[in-house]
Amino acid sequence: EAQVTQNPRYLITVTGKKLTVTCSQNMNHEYMSWYRQDPGLGLRQIYYSMNVEVTDKGDVPEGYKVSRKEKRNFPLILESPSPNQTSLYFCASSLWRGSYNEQFFGPGTRLTVL
Amino acid sequence: DQQVKQNSPSLSVQEGRISILNCDYTNSMFDYFLWYKKYPAEGPTFLISISSIKDKNEDGRFTVFLNKSAKHLSLHIVPSQPGDSAVYFCAASRTSYGGSQGNLIFGKGTKLSVKP
Repeated sequence: EAQVTQNPRYLITVTGKKLTVTCSQNMNHEYMSWYRQDPGLGLRQIYYSMNVEVTDKGDVPEGYKVSRKEKRNFPLILESPSPNQTSLYFCASSLWRGSYNEQFFGPGTRLTVL
Repeated sequence: DQQVKQNSPSLSVQEGRISILNCDYTNSMFDYFLWYKKYPAEGPTFLISISSIKDKNEDGRFTVFLNKSAKHLSLHIVPSQPGDSAVYFCAASRTSYGGSQGNLIFGKGTKLSVKP
């Protein structure tokens, strides 16, 4: 089954404790992206990757890191989480349709930073 | 400044009637628009799209209309069903924009409730 998987689905942590949220896709997509969803703010892009070893900042990259060592994986790293990073996070991968990216989303990771 | 705006946080419609969800954008460089649907505890799923060279795209009960001069698009659902109850996100893309080709800019979403 074609899908984007994220782990963990739920995480409660404390300020300053490094964490990684994994994302994996099995559709051989080149483009991958991370978003956060917050009440009243919609979906905002954190980082994206056009291909292996190619990453770039989205609209809200502060406090996050990413890496793209393999095509299928795109982990999101929070080196020193803070309470304002409490949010619902979505990973997405894209099939380029020639004129736009139809993005396929993972199920989400709900992160709480105390 | 928000480039994609969905000014109605919520919409309630009776089953069988038409649902109209609206979206406005400010950047005239956007050339592709998409609608996503999101159920609770799930990721958004692609619903329908439209290119800026068209003014209408239809897929079953879902139709998207684009008015470029007004920088406005709308999603029509006819007839509305209780299973359509979800949050709907409008998104825009600048496909010819440098290295961020294909990046989607999302609105804040509209929560649709279809009552039986």
